[in-house]
Amino acid sequence: DAKTTQPTSMDCAEGRAANLPCNHSTISGNEYVYWYRQIHSQGPQYIIHGLKNNETNEMASLIITEDRKSSTLILPHATLRDTAVYYCIVRVDNTDKLIFGTGTRLQVFP
Amino acid sequence: DTGVSQDPRHKITKRGQNVTFRCDPISEHNRLYWYRQTLGQGPEFLTYFQNEAQLEKSRLLSDRFSAERPKGSFSTLEIQRTEQGDSAMYLCASSLTTSLNEKLFFGSGTQLSVL
Repeated sequence: DAKTTQPTSMDCAEGRAANLPCNHSTISGNEYVYWYRQIHSQGPQYIIHGLKNNETNEMASLIITEDRKSSTLILPHATLRDTAVYYCIVRVDNTDKLIFGTGTRLQVFP
Repeated sequence: DTGVSQDPRHKITKRGQNVTFRCDPISEHNRLYWYRQTLGQGPEFLTYFQNEAQLEKSRLLSDRFSAERPKGSFSTLEIQRTEQGDSAMYLCASSLTTSLNEKLFFGSGTQLSVL
């Protein structure tokens, strides 16, 4: 079973920041937080992952709370192409398979 | 295109028929995963291979399902005696496990419709 909870859907205006929350209150100390997204008719795509510290890459930023019980994925300037389902996943390491929940459906509007 | 390739993209079959899907992972990726996804749900794990060894199978993978990766490169997923409940998107992913936290690269999937 998925170990995370996410809102079912969110809207965001084009050009604004999209902040997608994720709760993982039962996360263990050695579990990482991963984010993937799935654009319609495509397979999921890796976005970012982190353990304790905040992370940033060319796609997004990941903010993890100090107690690690929740995190937020930030798309700083959302575009229409960011419309997708976003999955938050906790995972120990590469010995652990990815378990997807139902994710957050992000709709970016003009 | 050097991404994960799946064939066919779409498959329509009648109940009771056998179907086989193929996945070509990214070259040199040693791990290969199969997932199944139904409408409105996230992908569900089915099985994965490390090179040619099948290391884990989900209880979702009934006796009618079999997966192989004979030479540690491409993989096939066969469903025997298909049922309407098998209708889904079948996704393949590959990864290179040289780091503690590898990224999975997914194909675009095979959409199966069982009539």
